[in-house]
Amino acid sequence: GQSLEQPSEVTAVEGAIVQINCTYQTSGFYGLSWYQQHDGGAPTFLSYNALDGLEETGRFSSFLSRSDSYGYLLLQELQMKDSASYFCAVIASGGSYIPTFGRGTSLIVHP
Amino acid sequence: DAGVTQSPTHLIKTRGQQVTLRCSPKSGHDTVSWYQQALGQGPQFIFQYYEEEERQRGNFPDRFSGHQFPNYSSELNVNALLLGDSALYLCASSLSHGGRRSNEQFFGPGTRLTVL
Repeated sequence: GQSLEQPSEVTAVEGAIVQINCTYQTSGFYGLSWYQQHDGGAPTFLSYNALDGLEETGRFSSFLSRSDSYGYLLLQELQMKDSASYFCAVIASGGSYIPTFGRGTSLIVHP
Repeated sequence: DAGVTQSPTHLIKTRGQQVTLRCSPKSGHDTVSWYQQALGQGPQFIFQYYEEEERQRGNFPDRFSGHQFPNYSSELNVNALLLGDSALYLCASSLSHGGRRSNEQFFGPGTRLTVL
């Protein structure tokens, strides 16, 4: 089976930088995705890492270390609108690219 | 470019009843996946449809069934509803042969199902 661990809640202030960690256990690891979900909204794709290293997309960056079964999402210049739940999701080989989601991290951004 | 749409937005049923939820994928997408999301949890994979066939299934009982139509839209059916089936049901579409883009799932707004 697959399992993912991420903190249940993270708080930060506007303008700060925050890192949300994710560790996983799975066989046939293919890649790690991150999704954002605002209260009452749909999950929105943020990033995908298949290779080790950092991928940057604007204020958000995602990192993967395959040898450590570890990844993180880095959010810079935090804004109030970044308050949301963030899910890491592991994709295992199998051809169907189906993500298995963690329980999510609630990010609370204070003014 | 229309995104993923789902209907209805909210639904209230009683135990033992049956429900059908509907999903239209993002334009150009050929694959539809269904997820159940309980409050405070991540989405749990139910099944995925491609070329009108169930391609993969998660750990859900046979009471959960689905269908994909030639226009790629999809339905999720749940029979003999239980209280524990109360959740947000999310549909996500993707492109099966899009290379790296195949890893990106576009989610609809969901259907909030309440079973009384």
